[in-house]
Amino acid sequence: RKEVEQDPGPFNVPEGATVAFNCTYSNSASQSFFWYRQDCRKEPKLLMSVYSSGNEDGRFTAQLNRASQYISLLIRDSKLSDSATYLCVVNKGFGNEKLTFGTGTRLTIIP
Amino acid sequence: GAVVSQHPSRVICKSGTSVKIECRSLDFQATTMFWYRQFPKKSLMLMATSNEGSKATYEQGVEKDKFLINHASLTLSTLTVTSAHPEDSSFYICSARDWGDGYTFGSGTRLTVV
Repeated sequence: RKEVEQDPGPFNVPEGATVAFNCTYSNSASQSFFWYRQDCRKEPKLLMSVYSSGNEDGRFTAQLNRASQYISLLIRDSKLSDSATYLCVVNKGFGNEKLTFGTGTRLTIIP
Repeated sequence: GAVVSQHPSRVICKSGTSVKIECRSLDFQATTMFWYRQFPKKSLMLMATSNEGSKATYEQGVEKDKFLINHASLTLSTLTVTSAHPEDSSFYICSARDWGDGYTFGSGTRLTVV
């Protein structure tokens, strides 16, 4: 089983739609969770950290279910500029700064 | 926000030569930096953890004599790909833990070995 698993997509959705990404992780000792976005041939950029209580930043909502070892990202009212690859990222354990990246989910917003 | 500067952004070198990639934290100190490699349509894979003032720690399967890491100051880490071969062609990215709770990445170096 991969340490971090994501549906690779691609997801092609119309502008204005809501899209949800899911991610599962295998290391129950992981403590830090993130969603990053990566544009083609660019470095990853932090989209948001994910907290147990769930968190929202504008059109983006992230949820964490520790019992199921499951992380989600919801994008509402999608924009053309949201087209990117979304990476689910998890640290390797308590106090461990090393990160494990999912393979990413490719999202394309269609005008 | 926190900035990590990485250069060169792109390099083409001949097989057998060495290439040095620099990674600098511009507005914060980074005692630890991380070096990743990403092949096309694949995930980022951690190669090594660079520790200021001490030896780097390498992930399983990464040759420490081929990928030399130096972290001589709190703001600079370098990765040298020695005796590069075409299979070393990849996207190399560094990162550091910033003052928030996230990690800031350099802009990456696209290495092509011909």
